[in-house]
Amino acid sequence: EVQLVESGGGLVKPGGSLRLSCAASGFTLSNYDMNWVRQAPGKGLEWVSFISSLSSYIYYADSVKGRFTISRDNAKNLLFLQMNSLRAEDTAVYFCARMPKGSYYFDYWGQGTLVTVSS
Amino acid sequence: DVQMTQSPSTLSASVGDRVTITCRASQSISSWLAWYQQKPGKAPKLLIYKASSLESGVPSRFSGSGSGTEFTLTISSLQPDDFAAYYCQQYNSYSWTFGQGTKVEIK
Repeated sequence: EVQLVESGGGLVKPGGSLRLSCAASGFTLSNYDMNWVRQAPGKGLEWVSFISSLSSYIYYADSVKGRFTISRDNAKNLLFLQMNSLRAEDTAVYFCARMPKGSYYFDYWGQGTLVTVSS
Repeated sequence: DVQMTQSPSTLSASVGDRVTITCRASQSISSWLAWYQQKPGKAPKLLIYKASSLESGVPSRFSGSGSGTEFTLTISSLQPDDFAAYYCQQYNSYSWTFGQGTKVEIK
């Protein structure tokens, strides 16, 4: 069974940092591209970042470019999102989402981890 | 960036109704469109990909159509489990964007 489990969320002050993790199981992580997608409380979905299967290609939404860094460790079945210079508008549930290679849609999602940026 | 305009934002319907949700792209995205269902407190679930392909395990009452800039999600006969939020999603030039969402409520 495919499972994606996020962790690392919590309360952080504006300007602070947080590192999210996503543990993958039930499939071979190196065969898939991966993404982070977020959802502010009561709002819609916003794509955050993409990383290709072997980390060759990385893309970010303009709203996080220069502040967030996506990475992965295929040997440990882990996906990461390093978030720096956090702002109140980064408050959201962060989902990791799997993407079949070359497909451009998200076929499996984790349950999400809540990041709250507040003083 | 490609903008996605989804309508309506809220839809009130009864069990058994035929329901249609529309998504319009600000420029052509060929068939790079997917639809998701999300229930409160849960992760989104993929329903349709490549505009009209039904994801494995999704009931056949869900269908998608369209290409270019206009797309629709249709639920042929609304079931109690279908009351949820629905989002369209596009891909274009290394960027992915979602529509604003449609909440399907019980009438």
